[in-house]
Amino acid sequence: DGGITQSPKYLFRKEGQNVTLSCEQNLNHDAMYWYRQDPGQGLRLIYYSQIVNDFQKGDIAEGYSVSREKKESFPLTVTSAQKNPTAFYLCASTLAGGPTDTQYFGPGTRLTVL
Amino acid sequence: KQEVTQIPAALSVPEGENLVLNCSFTDSAIYNLQWFRQDPGKGLTSLLLIQSSQREQTSGRLNASLDKSSGRSTLYIAASQPGDSATYLCAARPLISSGSARQLTFGSGTQLTVLP
Repeated sequence: DGGITQSPKYLFRKEGQNVTLSCEQNLNHDAMYWYRQDPGQGLRLIYYSQIVNDFQKGDIAEGYSVSREKKESFPLTVTSAQKNPTAFYLCASTLAGGPTDTQYFGPGTRLTVL
Repeated sequence: KQEVTQIPAALSVPEGENLVLNCSFTDSAIYNLQWFRQDPGKGLTSLLLIQSSQREQTSGRLNASLDKSSGRSTLYIAASQPGDSATYLCAARPLISSGSARQLTFGSGTQLTVLP
């Protein structure tokens, strides 16, 4: 089955720790995205990548970092600099990053800071 | 900066009713508008995409319309079923050639409950 996987489903972090969220896709898509969703709010773009070894900041990139070393993988690191990291994180991909491409989403990772 | 609003935040209807979900956006210079469905604790699933040159798109019991001049889109669900219960989000893509500003701006969604 083609799709996007995210792991873990739930993640708990102590204050001051960095954590990395995994996102893998086997759709052969070029573009990948990371969004943050807070309760009762829409999705906000953190980072996106339209090609391997290249990525761009979204609206709320501060306190986050990403890498894109392989086409199928786009991990997100939530650093200790992110002051309010508790949220639901969603990874998505599109075929080529074009404006008419359908976005395919993973099941999400819920991060809680203890 | 584009703002996308969905009102109401929550809606409950009896099974079988036809219903309309609303989406409004502040900047009419959009490339397209998309509707998504989100089940509790899950990712989003794309439902319909309307290009700026189109007035509506249909898929099964779903019909989405777009009126750029008034900054509004609606999602019409015919003969609603309990399985339609979910949060529905709309997202607008701006008419910009490149960069992060070209990415989708999402509304906060309408949580729909269809009562059996």
